[in-house]
Amino acid sequence: DIVMTQSPDSLAVSLGERAIINCKSSQSLLSSSDNKNYLAWYQQKLGQPPKLLIIWASTRESGVPDRFSGSGSGTDFTLTISSLQAEDVAVYYCHQHFHSPLTFGGGTKVEIK
Amino acid sequence: EVQLVESGGGLVQPGGSLRLSCAASGFTFSSHWMMWVRQAPGKGLEWVATIKQDGSEKYYVDSVKGRFTISRDNAKNSLYLQMNSLRAEDTAMYYCTRGAGWLVEYWGQGTLVTVSS
Repeated sequence: DIVMTQSPDSLAVSLGERAIINCKSSQSLLSSSDNKNYLAWYQQKLGQPPKLLIIWASTRESGVPDRFSGSGSGTDFTLTISSLQAEDVAVYYCHQHFHSPLTFGGGTKVEIK
Repeated sequence: EVQLVESGGGLVQPGGSLRLSCAASGFTFSSHWMMWVRQAPGKGLEWVATIKQDGSEKYYVDSVKGRFTISRDNAKNSLYLQMNSLRAEDTAMYYCTRGAGWLVEYWGQGTLVTVSS
C-alpha cells in the first residue's frame, strides 16, 4: 500500500501570510505512460465534506482561488496558500489515486494565528 | 450540478448489518467509477470501496473485505454499500463519491453509521 505522510499536523498562520503543507508518498506517483502525478489535494471545512482543490499535483480545479497552488513530483508534494484568508481555515488532505488501495494523508489543520 | 445524496445510516449493534444508498443526479452515472469513503469521528479520510462503471470490477480496503459489498444500479442512478458483521471501528461518516478515473472528484454530504451496543 502507498502510505501518504503529511506535515505538519497543524499550523497557525497570520492572515495574509503563506501556509505550506507537505505530503510525501512511499512510492512514486508519477506515471511513465502519461507523465502525470496521480496526486490530489482536498480542503475540508468543519462539518462539510471534502472539496477537491488540486489535481495532477498542480492543476487547480475550476473556481479555486489562485492563492492555492500545488507543486512537486514523484514522492514529494506541496500545497501552498500564498496569502491566507479567514475562509481558508480547514483541514487539508493529500490523496493518491495511482494504485489501489486509494490512500489519503493524515490531514493538516490550518488555523489563523 | 452533480448531486450525491446518501441515506441508510444509523445506530446498529456490533455484528449487525446496514445498507447504505446513494442517489446520484446531474451527471451520467453509468460513465463513472464510484467509491465509498469514510471518516471516523475526528479522524482522517479512509477509502472503503470502488466499483467500475458496469459493476464488473470491485475493490475494497482490507479491513472490510468479506464484510462489505459495493454495488450499483445504473438504471436507477444509485450506488449501494451492504455492510455486514459491523464492528465498533466501522463507526464513521460514510461518503458517496464520484470518480474521475480513480480520482475522488465529488463528495456527497455523508451518512453517519454508529456501531454500538
